[in-house]
Amino acid sequence: AQSVTQLGSHVSVSEGALVLLRCNYSSSVPPYLFWYVQYPNQGLQLLLKYTSAATLVKGINGFEAEFKKSETSFHLTKPSAHMSDAAEYFCAVSDGPDSSYKLIFGSGTRLLVRP
Amino acid sequence: DAMVIQNPRYQVTQFGKPVTLSCSQTLNHNVMYWYQQKSSQAPKLLFHYYDKDFNNEADTPDNFQSRRPNTSFCFLDIRSPGLGDAAMYLCATSRGGPVQGPEQYFGPGTRLTVT
Repeated sequence: AQSVTQLGSHVSVSEGALVLLRCNYSSSVPPYLFWYVQYPNQGLQLLLKYTSAATLVKGINGFEAEFKKSETSFHLTKPSAHMSDAAEYFCAVSDGPDSSYKLIFGSGTRLLVRP
Repeated sequence: DAMVIQNPRYQVTQFGKPVTLSCSQTLNHNVMYWYQQKSSQAPKLLFHYYDKDFNNEADTPDNFQSRRPNTSFCFLDIRSPGLGDAAMYLCATSRGGPVQGPEQYFGPGTRLTVT
């Protein structure tokens, strides 16, 4: 079965600093991978997705992620944090066709941005 | 704009009093999902519809039911809400396949309070 591990339930950065949120997945086949962001009392918003095209994926709000098969990782980065980036971030892997591509989520990382 | 709409955004119900949450979509997606999300946790899939085919997760309590009368609408019925059912309920949609697109699009959620 697929699984996703997000290292660090909380990450704190200063405004303007690099953001790095870690995600590792387990999959025996090339997966579909996603990063979602959730602001308080809102639904999840798709930041970016990897679907076996380019390994470096650019998303919205200046975020990007790199798929590294050898490390089974899909870490999320942003060069310069903004106060508005403070939110909960979820990495997810899509299960296969037999289960309608259900999402398997990591436990989430709360990003705190210090002024 | 095409979107996923959930009503109401906030719902208060009494212990044991049936409640229905609604979701509609203008994306014309094949698949609709219902998730339960408790505080500081990842969303937990309850069930999903692929077109009219209903798929229940093995650990979804019988207290939770769903209906999808047409492509656009899906309902979550909680027959006898308990205090433990207080949570954010998220609806999501997807095209449901690798070619069509495996990513899911989420509504804003309904926060359910049980008194």
